[in-house]
Amino acid sequence: KAGVTQTPRYLIKTRGQQVTLSCSPISGHRSVSWYQQTPGQGLQFLFEYFSETQRNKGNFPGRFSGRQFSNSRSEMNVSTLELGDSALYLCASSPEVADTQYFGPGTRLTVL
Amino acid sequence: AQSVTQLGSHVSVSEGALVLLRCNYSSSVPPYLFWYVQYPNQGLQLLLKYTSAATLVKGINGFEAEFKKSETSFHLTKPSAHMSDAAEYFCAVSDPGNTPLVFGKGTRLSVIA
Repeated sequence: KAGVTQTPRYLIKTRGQQVTLSCSPISGHRSVSWYQQTPGQGLQFLFEYFSETQRNKGNFPGRFSGRQFSNSRSEMNVSTLELGDSALYLCASSPEVADTQYFGPGTRLTVL
Repeated sequence: AQSVTQLGSHVSVSEGALVLLRCNYSSSVPPYLFWYVQYPNQGLQLLLKYTSAATLVKGINGFEAEFKKSETSFHLTKPSAHMSDAAEYFCAVSDPGNTPLVFGKGTRLSVIA
């Protein structure tokens, strides 16, 4: 089975712009979660989607949003980018809610 | 609230030596516990997980971990380190029935030839 795929792998944006990251889960997995990884804060949970509905949300500002499509693919969007948004954004999928999560390779976002 | 503490941000061992990476958790309910490994410029790979079955859990690549409720610990061990084990290791906890993982800060393992 193919693993979790994330596109693009690398992205460079400037402050004030917005960005959309994409995640395709493992086939058959219905839950998708997003995490942010930075050297200072480590790995932090952003949000989880299941059946096109947000189930959980981490402690991030409203500039961070996401959605899930009927085929379980997910996107996350960050508006009005700040320098501190530079991070590795990881997507994880699991068969059902509260199942073991399998991670993609991440999208490295650099904000200049 | 859940939390995870990984003792030692950097551990260095000789090739062939025992690997011991420490993880202590805090949780109001019996948790699920995980160890993930991250190689440079890659995502997280699941090594093993504890979900309230056997307290000694065997994972991939020769790693294992033991859940000790009395010590609130879930330390990761491997009898003999290999050069390919050099990576960042993360311990994580979640509430049963809930998805979000709470991660420790990670421990970077170096293996010296």
